[in-house]
Amino acid sequence: SQELEQSPQSLIVQEGKNLTINCTSSKTLYGLYWYKQKYGEGLIFLMMLQKGGEEKSHEKITAKLDEKKQQSSLHITASQPSHAGIYLCGADLNTDKLIFGTGTRLQVFP
Amino acid sequence: GAGVSQSPSNKVTEKGKDVELRCDPISGHTALYWYRQSLGQGLEFLIYFQGNSAPDKSGLPSDRFSAERTGGSVSTLTIQRTQQEDSAVYLCASSPRAGLGRGYTFGSGTRLTVV
Repeated sequence: SQELEQSPQSLIVQEGKNLTINCTSSKTLYGLYWYKQKYGEGLIFLMMLQKGGEEKSHEKITAKLDEKKQQSSLHITASQPSHAGIYLCGADLNTDKLIFGTGTRLQVFP
Repeated sequence: GAGVSQSPSNKVTEKGKDVELRCDPISGHTALYWYRQSLGQGLEFLIYFQGNSAPDKSGLPSDRFSAERTGGSVSTLTIQRTQQEDSAVYLCASSPRAGLGRGYTFGSGTRLTVV
């Protein structure tokens, strides 16, 4: 969707390295959802952010929503092979449905 | 059920044939969504059902696509006269109520291949 841009499209990192994925909206975000998808599987919910400046963490994954509520970042600390997959951001633009970015394919090599 | 169930998990069909994809949402979830994920693409919204309200069909790509939800539970997505560009993974999701709350629970998808 042109309303939601995700970058980078692909990321290859060495195990133990940190990485950041960005999600930028052309409109105000009423909510921002991060999901992870492994090949052949559905999307697994990671985190939801609603308030400007909000930050949430789960294990080694931290997500932030900027003050203007138009950009979110997902940061993984000390990446592991288990972090590999496709990360998708989903935006609530106040239309009762989520609009998704194109995804970031993450590969982590030993 | 414990999760969102989709069937079949894989479907290969010949160009021009009709296909039906099924989604069984989590019991009690009033909202149900269909998305399509093409190779290298993000999720494309197709249609959204909320309770007894008229569905939001704004994402259906052509009149060959239709969906229904019977009894507020199971949903079927039908693609008529399939084309090769219809090849994709079709994902279904449900959520507990109007508005998005904690977001959706997704099924594992149906991988459709049109040959």
